[in-house]
Amino acid sequence: EAQVTQNPRYLITVTGKKLTVTCSQNMNHEYMSWYRQDPGLGLRQIYYSMNVEVTDKGDVPEGYKVSRKEKRNFPLILESPSPNQTSLYFCASSLDLRQTGQYFGPGTRLTVT
Amino acid sequence: KQEVTQIPAALSVPEGENLVLNCSFTDSAIYNLQWFRQDPGKGLTSLLLIQSSQREQTSGRLNASLDKSSGRSTLYIAASQPGDSATYLCAVAPRGGGADGLTFGKGTHLIIQP
Repeated sequence: EAQVTQNPRYLITVTGKKLTVTCSQNMNHEYMSWYRQDPGLGLRQIYYSMNVEVTDKGDVPEGYKVSRKEKRNFPLILESPSPNQTSLYFCASSLDLRQTGQYFGPGTRLTVT
Repeated sequence: KQEVTQIPAALSVPEGENLVLNCSFTDSAIYNLQWFRQDPGKGLTSLLLIQSSQREQTSGRLNASLDKSSGRSTLYIAASQPGDSATYLCAVAPRGGGADGLTFGKGTHLIIQP
């Protein structure tokens, strides 16, 4: 089954404790991205990657890192999480953003205390 | 910078009604427009994708139209059912210099009353 998977689905952590949210897709998509969703602000892009070893900032990249060592994986790294990073995070992938739609993962609900 | 607006923010209608959700965007330079459905606490499910060269797309009881020149799209839901209750999101893929991601509207929260 074609899908985007994220782990963990739920995470409660404390300020400053490094964490990684994994994202994997099995559709051989080149384009992958991370979004965060906040009440009243909607979905905003954090980082994206056009292909292996190619990443770039989205609209709200501060406090986040990503890597794209393999085509199927695109982990989101929070080196020193802060409470303002409490949010619902989505990973998405697309064969070609211009021609095809994006497929979204189920989301990761992160709470930073 | 591209902005996407969805009206209304919330809508509650009785079962069986036909309804229209509206989406507008400020910059007509887009590759495509996509409608998503989001259930509470869940991910996004793609409903329809309209390329910039297309006028409409249909899937079952759903019909989405696109008027790129005026920066508008509508999602028409026929014979609404309680299972259609969800938040509907509109997103555009901007035709920029880089591989910009989707720009989303804030959504229309739809409730279909049984």
